[in-house]
Amino acid sequence: QKEVEQNSGPLSVPEGAIASLNCTYSDRGSQSFFWYRQYSGKSPELIMSIYSNGDKEDGRFTAQLNKASQYVSLLIRDSQPSDSATYLCAVNPNGSSNTGKLIFGQGTTLQVKP
Amino acid sequence: SQTIHQWPATLVQPVGSPLSLECTVEGTSNPNLYWYRQAAGRGLQLLFYSVGIGQISSEVPQNLSASRPQDRQFILSSKKLLLSDSGFYLCAWSASLGYNEQFFGPGTRLTVL
Repeated sequence: QKEVEQNSGPLSVPEGAIASLNCTYSDRGSQSFFWYRQYSGKSPELIMSIYSNGDKEDGRFTAQLNKASQYVSLLIRDSQPSDSATYLCAVNPNGSSNTGKLIFGQGTTLQVKP
Repeated sequence: SQTIHQWPATLVQPVGSPLSLECTVEGTSNPNLYWYRQAAGRGLQLLFYSVGIGQISSEVPQNLSASRPQDRQFILSSKKLLLSDSGFYLCAWSASLGYNEQFFGPGTRLTVL
């Protein structure tokens, strides 16, 4: 069973701090990794994609991938109350590149306190 | 640019009634299409996916079915709803060639009473 694990939280950080969200996956052959943000009652929104080891930065967001350790993380700098949401980690497992199937974690709820 | 539509936005149905949810994608051709269900406070459960017209793969056994009558249209159906079918139904698409990024529609919130 291919799995993606996240701490459900809630993760509470003060406004302006760095929020660190973590995700581990079981399929060592996974190739594509994604972070989605989901506000309460809304559909998930893609915020970051990462495909190779290392860091990828986009504005206040940085995704980090370590395939050897099978984890992917998302850092949110200068956290804002508007960042309060559930963050879903998703992985495209080995052998699923032609179907585009993703396995999602359960999500981590982030609360940014003003 | 690509756009994905779902309707209806909300639906309240009695147990045993039929269901039809529709999803359409604009601005792309031959997308991969997906139906997910998200129960309250839970993660996303992949129900069906399709890589082309008439090609449907089911991920979990259930009383739901899916069809893809046109390239950019994906329909989720049931003949008789169960209480356990309540949830947030999400349609998503990804490019058939690419990095498998999925983009979600606005969702349909279904309550079965």
